[in-house]
Amino acid sequence: NAGVTQTPKFQVLKTGQSMTLQCAQDMNHEYMSWYRQDPGMGLRLIHYSVGAGITDQGEVPNGYNVSRSTTEDFPLRLLSAAPSQTSVYFCASSDPPFSREGLMRSYNEQFFGPGTRLTVL
Amino acid sequence: GENVEQHPSTLSVQEGDSAVIKCTYSDSASNYFPWYKQELGKGPQLIIDIRSNVGEKKDQRIAVTLNKTAKHFSLHITETQPEDSAVYFCAASIRTGRRALTFGSGTRLQVQP
Repeated sequence: NAGVTQTPKFQVLKTGQSMTLQCAQDMNHEYMSWYRQDPGMGLRLIHYSVGAGITDQGEVPNGYNVSRSTTEDFPLRLLSAAPSQTSVYFCASSDPPFSREGLMRSYNEQFFGPGTRLTVL
Repeated sequence: GENVEQHPSTLSVQEGDSAVIKCTYSDSASNYFPWYKQELGKGPQLIIDIRSNVGEKKDQRIAVTLNKTAKHFSLHITETQPEDSAVYFCAASIRTGRRALTFGSGTRLQVQP
């Protein structure tokens, strides 16, 4: 298992450019999410998905779009990059929220990718 | 929404000493409290977690305690080693379909050999 993979590892953009950060997982996790990490602020949730075709906003969604066409992939799109989006971006995935018996799981470990360091000039 | 505060922001200890990191949370509905370790250039990795129906959990040199009444939880590392040097994050979560984690701001732990 490769776990959670992210590409690229580093990216430099100019203000106004657009790009897509890729995230993929091979653990058949239904839940995937994107966080950004800024100095002194921990990780903040951008968008998340509880399954293919379902996405929702997190704490800091402005300026970002996501889609979930497959269980494995969860790309994050920057529509028009701004210097305030300079950050390290982490993708995470976790087990389905329900067991085979239909019971809500209490187990909630999220597995993180290695991150993408983005600089917007 | 949930708010998690973490202290201290930096912590330096001598090898073999203990280290304690403390977090407080605001939402009494939170019931899952993981701790993540992040090494330089890598993503966070879960090291221990605790659920609201448990007051303490231990895994070798690492322990976590939870006080639901006071809404705070702590990470304890005993017999610290240089490889424990990293940034540690606490987090809190409500067990819902959203499954989002609210993170603390992180503690940079440095273990001096």
